[in-house]
Amino acid sequence: NAGVTQTPKFQVLKTGQSMTLQCAQDMNHNSMYWYRQDPGMGLRLIYYSASEGTTDKGEVPNGYNVSRLNKREFSLRLESAAPSQTSVYFCAGSSGTGGAGELFFGEGSRLTVL
Amino acid sequence: GQQLNQSPQSMFIQEGEDVSMNCTSSSIFNTWLWYKQEPGEGPVLLIALYKAGELTSNGRLTAQFGITRKDSFLNISASIPSDVGIYFCAGQLKPGNTPLVFGKGTRLSVIA
Repeated sequence: NAGVTQTPKFQVLKTGQSMTLQCAQDMNHNSMYWYRQDPGMGLRLIYYSASEGTTDKGEVPNGYNVSRLNKREFSLRLESAAPSQTSVYFCAGSSGTGGAGELFFGEGSRLTVL
Repeated sequence: GQQLNQSPQSMFIQEGEDVSMNCTSSSIFNTWLWYKQEPGEGPVLLIALYKAGELTSNGRLTAQFGITRKDSFLNISASIPSDVGIYFCAGQLKPGNTPLVFGKGTRLSVIA
């Protein structure tokens, strides 16, 4: 079982470039999430998808878009990258029922915007 | 947005010592959870708490859901070097698909 898989693991972009972070899970999770982690800031929610076909904004959605492609995949897109988006990005999934708070995280994608 | 106040921000302890960290909020939470993040990895769930007053253990780790539902603590007994990492508290305001709110983390260093 791969769990939650994120690609790429590392990426360097120039300001203004676009890119998509991919996330796939094989745990049959209904809900999927994108967080960013910055030093001293903890984990902040960017967007989430409570179920296939739905997406909602989190705490820090500006500059990002998401697509819940199917139940397994949830991608995060930066249309015009800015240095402020330099961060570590984590995708997570949960069953969304019962232990809904029990998130399973990927290993992270480390993005640097120059 | 909702905020969780997690303390301390960092701790340096000797191997074998006990550790205590806590999380407080002005809001009432339905669920409290504790995660650990090791360098280069994503956070991993340690303990989940679902009822006010609940006390749950996972090996040397013990966590409690505060009676007021506005706080939680995590204790680690007899720390060992592999306890090093960042510990995050997280709360869920409502059951179901409501996203978690995370504290800013407690960075634990263990000196052998």
